[in-house]
Amino acid sequence: DAKTTQPNSMESNEEEPVHLPCNHSTISGTDYIHWYRQLPSQGPEYVIHGLTSNVNNRMASLAIAEDRKSSTLILHRATLRDAAVYYCIPRRLDSNYQLIWGAGTKLIIKP
Amino acid sequence: KAGVTQTPRYLIKTRGQQVTLSCSPISGHRSVSWYQQTPGQGLQFLFEYFSETQRNKGNFPGRFSGRQFSNSRSEMNVSTLELGDSALYLCASSLVEGIETQYFGPGTRLLVL
Repeated sequence: DAKTTQPNSMESNEEEPVHLPCNHSTISGTDYIHWYRQLPSQGPEYVIHGLTSNVNNRMASLAIAEDRKSSTLILHRATLRDAAVYYCIPRRLDSNYQLIWGAGTKLIIKP
Repeated sequence: KAGVTQTPRYLIKTRGQQVTLSCSPISGHRSVSWYQQTPGQGLQFLFEYFSETQRNKGNFPGRFSGRQFSNSRSEMNVSTLELGDSALYLCASSLVEGIETQYFGPGTRLLVL
């Protein structure tokens, strides 16, 4: 499984965009990139996933580098509710189904 | 649609005891995975069940076991509890195995004294 590198923590101001980076230089061609987040005292929550092209949903956007060795999760307008630990997880869709979790990035939102 | 539910939410046990945790997946979901989360090790995969069969297992000792029932509800059991088993145990469900989106429950926080 591909290894990931994420900043331990990031700070952002409320109502500003947030760009959360993830390096996954050993990713294979069939690994999707998944993002989950875990709010305080809750279980993780799916955010978004993609393979090659950029992806958007109601929660966030995912920008994937052309060489797929890195990706960026974009929160367009952070709110206090977005304060969480964000996990970037490469995973093959047809794999035997294990999500390998790193330490993630703790996102702090300042009012 | 109701989310993933886990019971109990909190549990205190003593070393040597055994414990059973329960997970009810989202209606229609047939795959259930279990994870252990500790401050030191983060989130670690325990096992995954689909159609009452264990499909995948993480690197945990045999004291950790699980099962899935015909209604997709799942239980995990830890026997001969150790202090290091204190953790948040998370259950996640998905429609079928191999699907990218997992939906997590709130977890059961287990404290072993």
